[in-house]
Amino acid sequence: QQPVQSPQAVILREGEDAVINCSSSKALYSVHWYRQKHGEAPVFLMILLKGGEQKGHEKISASFNEKKQQSSLYLTASQLSYSGTYFCGTGGSTLGRLYFGRGTQLTVWP
Amino acid sequence: DTEVTQTPKHLVMGMTNKKSLKCEQHMGHRAMYWYKQKAKKPPELMFVYSYEKLSINESVPSRFSPECPNSSLLNLHLHALQPEDSALYLCASSHRLAGGTQETQYFGPGTRLLVL
Repeated sequence: QQPVQSPQAVILREGEDAVINCSSSKALYSVHWYRQKHGEAPVFLMILLKGGEQKGHEKISASFNEKKQQSSLYLTASQLSYSGTYFCGTGGSTLGRLYFGRGTQLTVWP
Repeated sequence: DTEVTQTPKHLVMGMTNKKSLKCEQHMGHRAMYWYKQKAKKPPELMFVYSYEKLSINESVPSRFSPECPNSSLLNLHLHALQPEDSALYLCASSHRLAGGTQETQYFGPGTRLLVL
């Protein structure tokens, strides 16, 4: 039930945009996005609940397509601070259980 | 305040030792979680507590023993661990059980465990 994330890694220059995708073979009730910097805990970015819902946080936004069972995270005008590993966590019908994708390593260079 | 604290930050133990990891939150959350994370891998769920009762045990070996003494505290007791148990152990909490709901899990900084 682990969601599939793509791409595995992204390298950007400051100011460039990136898209990270998360898809599941199972029905999705929620999608949670986290960013984890090396040696630190995952930090919550946003949660999406309804089909087609889009959320934004400064220059980071996300969409959730319930029909396609997928979510995308959009990072616009990337900053050095965006570097890290991005995980999507998907929630199904079982309360308490989030399934995390393998992560996408994002590196932003000056 | 969305702070989850964990102690110790680092722990080195031998295979015959007994040690405990501690996690604390004062956000009034009633669901707490233990995860294990290996390098370059996603967090793997180990245990979930809801209202101080064990709700999920992901078939974790008995050398890991969780305990939730009250709504703010979560412990993980370790005994006779193996070197492959070396990992980052993360605690998380949420208002109620997360998953297919709007509940968000907030992670603590983790305990980096090395088993020799």
